[in-house]
Amino acid sequence: DGGITQSPKYLFRKEGQNVTLSCEQNLNHDAMYWYRQDPGQGPRLIYYSQIVNDFQKGDIAEGYSVSREKKESFPLTVTSAQKNPTAFYLCASTKGGYTDTQYFGPGTRLTVL
Amino acid sequence: EDKVVQSPLSLVVHEGDTVTLNCSYEVTNFRSLLWYKQEKKAPTFLFMLTSSGIEKKSGRLSSILDKKELFSILNITATQTGDSAVYLCAFGSSNTGKLIFGQGTTLQVKP
Repeated sequence: DGGITQSPKYLFRKEGQNVTLSCEQNLNHDAMYWYRQDPGQGPRLIYYSQIVNDFQKGDIAEGYSVSREKKESFPLTVTSAQKNPTAFYLCASTKGGYTDTQYFGPGTRLTVL
Repeated sequence: EDKVVQSPLSLVVHEGDTVTLNCSYEVTNFRSLLWYKQEKKAPTFLFMLTSSGIEKKSGRLSSILDKKELFSILNITATQTGDSAVYLCAFGSSNTGKLIFGQGTTLQVKP
């Protein structure tokens, strides 16, 4: 089955801890994206990557970091510098370089205790 | 600053009603406008529009884009309870490679 997988589905973290969210796709898509969604809002872009070993900051990158060492993987680290990390995190990918239809993974719900 | 505004923010209708959801945008370097449906989980793709005045249709759902007036509408006819969801529109930029989402319209369809 082709698709985008995110793990874990739910994640709990204590304040001050870093945590890494996984995103994997087997669609052979070039571009991958991380979004954050808060209640009552649309997704907001954190980071995106058009090709391996390259990524750009989105609109709300502070307190987050990413890597793109493999085409199929784009992990997101939520660092202790992120002041309000509790949110729903969505990973997406597209075949083409720019805004072809983005397909989303199932999401990870992060709660900071 | 690029901006996407959806209206209404929420809507309650009864099964069989027809609804129209609105999406207006103020953006530079427009490339595409996309509609997604979100039901308590990840958004699922509905339509992508790039050309003005051409309607996209899928079953009871349809959408059209007006690039002159900078808006798009999503129509749902003969609504069903399964249409209850948040509907998101997003603008795609030709020079940044990212989507900018509106805040969403929450649709509740009552039996």
